[in-house]
Amino acid sequence: EAGVTQFPSHSVIEKGQTVTLRCDPISGHDNLYWYRRVMGKEIKFLLHFVKESKQDESGMPNNRFLAERTGGTYSTLKVQPAELEDSGVYFCASSHLGGTSPKNIQYFGAGTRLSVL
Amino acid sequence: ILNVEQSPQSLHVQEGDSTNFTCSFPSSNFYALHWYRWETAKSPEALFVMTLNGDEKKKGRISATLNTKEGYSYLYIKGSQPEDSATYLCAFALYNQGGKLIFGQGTELSVKP
Repeated sequence: EAGVTQFPSHSVIEKGQTVTLRCDPISGHDNLYWYRRVMGKEIKFLLHFVKESKQDESGMPNNRFLAERTGGTYSTLKVQPAELEDSGVYFCASSHLGGTSPKNIQYFGAGTRLSVL
Repeated sequence: ILNVEQSPQSLHVQEGDSTNFTCSFPSSNFYALHWYRWETAKSPEALFVMTLNGDEKKKGRISATLNTKEGYSYLYIKGSQPEDSATYLCAFALYNQGGKLIFGQGTELSVKP
């Protein structure tokens, strides 16, 4: 069974440019989460999809970030325009049970390392 | 603001040493506590999910305990090996929050042969 895959693994862009990150969850997982780790800090929650619906987007930093999950399969996270402080590792995770069970395991992708110069 | 604290931040041990780290989390509204093992440029790997006070989990040489009343969890590694070198992350899930995880900063373990 394929795990969570993220693309690209690394992106280097200039301030003001646009970048789109993609996440393919494990097949059949309705719950998809985005997280971010900026240098030296903890991994922080960005948002949570259940199928194609945004369940919780309380962690999105500002309106330069737009997440979509059309059709409830893969998800994209677009940053437009990118700023220096957006640099970090963006993780995607998927799970079958979501918040309906305390034993819910989230399976993570390897992340996209974003560098904004 | 909910905080998850991990200590120590980093740890250097010799092969064969046993070691342990601490994760502290808010004791109210507890739902679950997760431990992950993460090597840079790889996917964080789920080690344990613990939900009940007093839970003890074991996976090979790694084990974990949970105290929800006082808000802490310990992760133990017995007889550390170089391949155990990684960052160990704990993450706390609140009740009725859709399963989103609040992470600590991690403990970076380096095991020298």
